[in-house]
Amino acid sequence: ETGVTQSPTHLIKTRGQQVTLRCSSQSGHNTVSWYQQALGQGPQFIFQYYREEENGRGNFPPRFSGLQFPNYSSELNVNALELDDSALYLCASSSGLAGVTDTQYFGPGTRLTVL
Amino acid sequence: KNQVEQSPQSLIILEGKNCTLQCNYTVSPFSNLRWYKQDTGRGPVSLTIMTFSENTKSNGRYTATLDADTKQSSLHITASQLSDSASYICVVTLTGGGNKLTFGTGTQLKVEL
Repeated sequence: ETGVTQSPTHLIKTRGQQVTLRCSSQSGHNTVSWYQQALGQGPQFIFQYYREEENGRGNFPPRFSGLQFPNYSSELNVNALELDDSALYLCASSSGLAGVTDTQYFGPGTRLTVL
Repeated sequence: KNQVEQSPQSLIILEGKNCTLQCNYTVSPFSNLRWYKQDTGRGPVSLTIMTFSENTKSNGRYTATLDADTKQSSLHITASQLSDSASYICVVTLTGGGNKLTFGTGTQLKVEL
């Protein structure tokens, strides 16, 4: 186990709804990154938070937003859900920014299904 | 077009055999290349991390190589076990831009008796 937890494990929503996914980082880690993994594909980078500030964003629309709290846990919010948002959402925690040999530890993911 | 290409897409081998997975990338400049193992329905687990100046890195039965000139990496698995059945993902970290990882689509490995 990596020490990174995510909730909920599974979630079913309908188009147009909003969803909030949560991630608790590993103890001592101040950086959280979020990824979307469609079935059969590699994860796609959504964004990263470092010490409560967004630090880098992938090619995702503004309806994907996030937050990092003082304890370094994080939330991913998705508004106006679309069918293509159905995926496994992974968060990964690490210590520091862009560490050359810094390991990102992944949580088990949240499986989101949009009907 | 994916900037990190992996081959083969899937592979079946017998327990005890060796195998080599390939990764070609076009992203640059990069700070490091990682190999992850992902069991079905679970988050990826890091196997190796190599900087652009490293040629090889081992982790038990896993050995990764990197050729920064040709932008190729390989992951060699020795004496495979049934528990090695998983998706193996090659990941390149871009310099700057918030530690952005670019993932390949993975090689699905199945080890059979």
